[in-house]
Parts: sequence; C-alpha cells; structure tokens
Amino acid sequence: DADVTQTPRNRITKTGKRIMLECSQTKGHDRMYWYRQDPGLGLRLIYYSFDVKDINKGEISDGYSVSRQAQAKFSLSLESAIPNQTALYFCATSDLFRGRGSNEQFFGPGTRLTVL
Amino acid sequence: QKEVEQDPGPLSVPEGAIVSLNCTYSNSAFQYFMWYRQYSRKGPELLMYTYSSGNKEDGRFTAQVDKSSKYISLFIRDSQPSDSATYLCAMSKSNSNSGYALNFGKGTSLLVTP
Repeated sequence: DADVTQTPRNRITKTGKRIMLECSQTKGHDRMYWYRQDPGLGLRLIYYSFDVKDINKGEISDGYSVSRQAQAKFSLSLESAIPNQTALYFCATSDLFRGRGSNEQFFGPGTRLTVL
Repeated sequence: QKEVEQDPGPLSVPEGAIVSLNCTYSNSAFQYFMWYRQYSRKGPELLMYTYSSGNKEDGRFTAQVDKSSKYISLFIRDSQPSDSATYLCAMSKSNSNSGYALNFGKGTSLLVTP
C-alpha cells in the first residue's frame, strides 16, 4: 500500500464550487505539506503543518484553506474554485525526528483538478 | 529572480549516454540539496540527498554540490530509457522555524531514446 495517498485522483468542477482534496499518510511523519504544480512554474508550496495544532501559509495560500484533522490526515479546500486553480496538487510528508534535519519530503500521487 | 534556477529542457540523449542535469541558486543559506525524479502523472520521488558541498554516489547516479559557485549537478551514467522523466532539484535551509521549506527548481525533462 502507498505510504501517502490522495483522494480524489482526478476532479473536474465548475467555477464557484467548494472543493476538498484529502491526504492520508501511514509513514508516521509529523509534517505535512500541500503543493500545486503548474507547467512552467514548477512546484509551489500552498500550506504546511508541523503537527495537528500548527498550520502555516506557504508561497501561494490565497484562495485555499487547510485542516489537519489528525497526524495522518491533511486536507486542502478551495472555498470557491476559479479556473486559474486548475493544476496538479500534491501532498507531501516529512519527519522532524529523522535526524538529518534535511526535510526530505515524500510525495503522494497527486490530484489533477480542473476548474471550468 | 527565483532562488533556484533549472533549465526545463527538454533534454534528449541516446541510451548509454552520460546525462548531466544542473541547478543554480542564489541563497547561500541553503544547506541541504536534493534531486527528485517525477514520472509522467506521478508524484516526485526522492532520488538523491546531499548535505553541504561534495559528492554522493548511488549506483548510476552521482550528485555534486559546489556551494562556492552555488551550483548543483546530477549525473546519470549509462542512461536507460527508464530514466526518462522530469528531474527536479530542491534545496532547504537549516532553520527549524521555517519548517525546512523546500525550494524547488522547475524541473528538467529528460528523454532517453533506445
């Protein structure tokens, strides 16, 4: 079984709809991240969370919100989707106590979101 | 100017060639350097990790970091068609308060032809 799973894998929605993307992990990591990937722009950080009680904005948090329901679950919401939020969304995890301090991150398979 | 620059390619090489992939960066605070490989329609997977300057070898892959030049490289020896993917460089500072945020390059698309 995959260590980091994302649901749904694909989603098509309309402008103005509320969308939630979910991420679950079985790696036991404390840190979780949400990124979006766009052609020509690479991976950009939306939000990250150190633990259940900690949420931090990333580079491009406007228009998004997150919820860390448990150590293993981190969801991303688009309250009112717009077409320029069409992208590939990735969840990632890392382990504070891994010992290297390098923030090696492990990615899920991604959610392809299309906003019409 | 982005903190991490990476030529998007595409780079096309014949099977068996040596591939050189590179990134430059502007922030001297970066201490940790990583290479991720991303196949089409998949999430990035960690390929190589290096701390500070120096070389690291893992099978056909060698990662090099030159902090004085702010330049990192990934070499792939005896390239195979299965190496065809997008390669992303990433780096982070040693700062726990920032959550060790990763800064990614845009990725280089590599095609190895049989």
